[in-house]
Amino acid sequence: EVQLVESGGGLVQPGGSLRLSCAASGFTFNNYWIHWVRQVPGKGLVWVSRVNTDESSTNYADSVKGRFTISRDNAKNTVYLQMNSLRAEDTAVYYCVRGALRAYYVDVWGKGTTVTVSS
Amino acid sequence: QSALTQPASVSGSPGQSITISCTGTSSDVGGYNYVSWYQHHPGKAPKLLIFDVSNRPSGVSNRFSVSKSGNTASLTISGLQAEDEADYYCFSYTVSSTYVFGSGTKVTVL
Repeated sequence: EVQLVESGGGLVQPGGSLRLSCAASGFTFNNYWIHWVRQVPGKGLVWVSRVNTDESSTNYADSVKGRFTISRDNAKNTVYLQMNSLRAEDTAVYYCVRGALRAYYVDVWGKGTTVTVSS
Repeated sequence: QSALTQPASVSGSPGQSITISCTGTSSDVGGYNYVSWYQHHPGKAPKLLIFDVSNRPSGVSNRFSVSKSGNTASLTISGLQAEDEADYYCFSYTVSSTYVFGSGTKVTVL
């Protein structure tokens, strides 16, 4: 079964840091791009970041550029999202999402991990 | 990177057809045939309905169809059913090699 399982969410103070992990299974991980998408409860989906298969290319939404870093460890089938200088507006559920093979859409979603930035 | 513009809500009676628009710019929707659509029932993972503007994954009902004109893509749900009540999002690749979601549309089946 194709699966993405996020972890690492929690409560952090403004200005703090958190690292999210996404463990993949059930598919050839190093063939796929991986995205992070977030959603504030009751609000819409927002694309955050994407990493290509060998981490040679990464992209970020303007709202997180310079504060968040996406990376991957293909030996561990895991993608990470390092989040620094966190703000209240980063509070959301963060989803790890698989990019479809050699395509520009996403096809498999994790269940999400909740990040709360509050003092 | 503003969200693509979708109507906040659309409603229809069972059996009717409804259309959800997704308006962007020439830097995203209008510039590429890389628009996809997702159905999201709260508490569940979003489901891919359409990719590359008009292609349906296997298993997705042909009641879902898409058209695109200029900077606007539109999702039509024909023969509306109770199970179609959900949130719908468009998603596009952009000229900056980033991606952007639509603002989301809540579909209500009356």
